[in-house]
Amino acid sequence: DAGITQSPRHKVTETGTPVTLRCHQTENHRYMYWYRQDPGHGLRLIHYSYGVKDTDKGEVSDGYSVSRSKTEDFLLTLESATSSQTSVYFCAISTGLLDYGYTFGSGTRLTVV
Amino acid sequence: DQQVKQNSPSLSVQEGRISILNCDYTNSMFDYFLWYKKYPAEGPTFLISISSIKDKNEDGRFTVFLNKSAKHLSLHIVPSQPGDSAVYFCAAGIGGSEKLVFGKGTKLTVNP
Repeated sequence: DAGITQSPRHKVTETGTPVTLRCHQTENHRYMYWYRQDPGHGLRLIHYSYGVKDTDKGEVSDGYSVSRSKTEDFLLTLESATSSQTSVYFCAISTGLLDYGYTFGSGTRLTVV
Repeated sequence: DQQVKQNSPSLSVQEGRISILNCDYTNSMFDYFLWYKKYPAEGPTFLISISSIKDKNEDGRFTVFLNKSAKHLSLHIVPSQPGDSAVYFCAAGIGGSEKLVFGKGTKLTVNP
């Protein structure tokens, strides 16, 4: 979607390896989020950021870490990938005004083998 | 302890008819409610929202109704079109918290 890009779009990795997913925005929005989408679970919040170096955990944060050193970039790291982390990962950005919602990226499909 | 529930995993309607997607929530603190549409291999896109001070919001073919006493909201699509076939997510949030909680989604199929 315009203003937000995720990379890579697809990745296959081996169990136990570290993986980093990148989210980049050009909208200068304060808030950034990482969600994962799984069948039967919908969208679940992993971590979010409310400013540079300000992050907090979501409902499924175990096994994930994040970093935000610049307004435009929000990185999601799987320290040691497991098969249960096979999922589609979405980044989202927001101004903080909930009635305007979030703008989501196109997603990263991660497969851990 | 699902806070936002979409109890129908799927819905099938005929082109031109009304589609009604339902969503229930349990947290009475929620005061913003949104609907997102998602096509395969794409990110969710914002469709329409409503705040708790209203009970209805319209945008073209899409109308969202909010029943606060029942903790229930619904999305009406009239008339339904084949291009509306997608997964629809209901989401809710509390003003000032900057976080949304999403339901599991309902897959809508509009048949020509």
